[in-house]
Amino acid sequence: AQKITQTQPGMFVQEKEAVTLDCTYDTSDPSYGLFWYKQPSSGEMIFLIYQGSYDQQNATEGRYSLNFQKARKSANLVISASQLGDSAMYFCAMCEGQNFVFGPGTRLSVLP
Amino acid sequence: DTGVSQDPRHKITKRGQNVTFRCDPISEHNRLYWYRQTLGQGPEFLTYFQNEAQLEKSRLLSDRFSAERPKGSFSTLEIQRTEQGDSAMYLCASSLKQGANTEAFFGQGTRLTVV
Repeated sequence: AQKITQTQPGMFVQEKEAVTLDCTYDTSDPSYGLFWYKQPSSGEMIFLIYQGSYDQQNATEGRYSLNFQKARKSANLVISASQLGDSAMYFCAMCEGQNFVFGPGTRLSVLP
Repeated sequence: DTGVSQDPRHKITKRGQNVTFRCDPISEHNRLYWYRQTLGQGPEFLTYFQNEAQLEKSRLLSDRFSAERPKGSFSTLEIQRTEQGDSAMYLCASSLKQGANTEAFFGQGTRLTVV
């Protein structure tokens, strides 16, 4: 069964606008971590933001924030003030126990 | 550079040949992961080590695949009798703490092409 679902294969956003990338997850473990990674065309995986399952507040890192809705099992990434350099693949991942599981990704294209 | 490094960055091999990839994690990290990523897909878990112990292996890791981390530092991933379906990006990642509250840092990957 798919543990991480990203329903948007591709997204477009105008430069300087905000965009939300969706992620839902499935786990029965009460302790887990949720992560977002960015993968530009160069191929490297760049860590963006982390949310722990017990965290009361939504995580924020600069222009990135995570909209964590535990009851809905969703962890959407919000990128504010999009920049051309934000164009990349974005992966939602969950650390459950010992392992990281990744979603299929969303390709974000920022338009000038 | 103190990040995760992988060698080689690219590898082209003929079908049936053996290949070996190396990963050097961040030095104090005790966990090391191998993933495989095909075009347009997310990374798929292959295996991971806690220090030198290989604690979990995916069903994706057939008998032709073997990974080692002999001294709990660098790791190697070997693929024997390569097949065209093995063509992919092989990613290595490392992390420090146990549990769910730490990020994994990735290397730049080794892109394997089997011809």
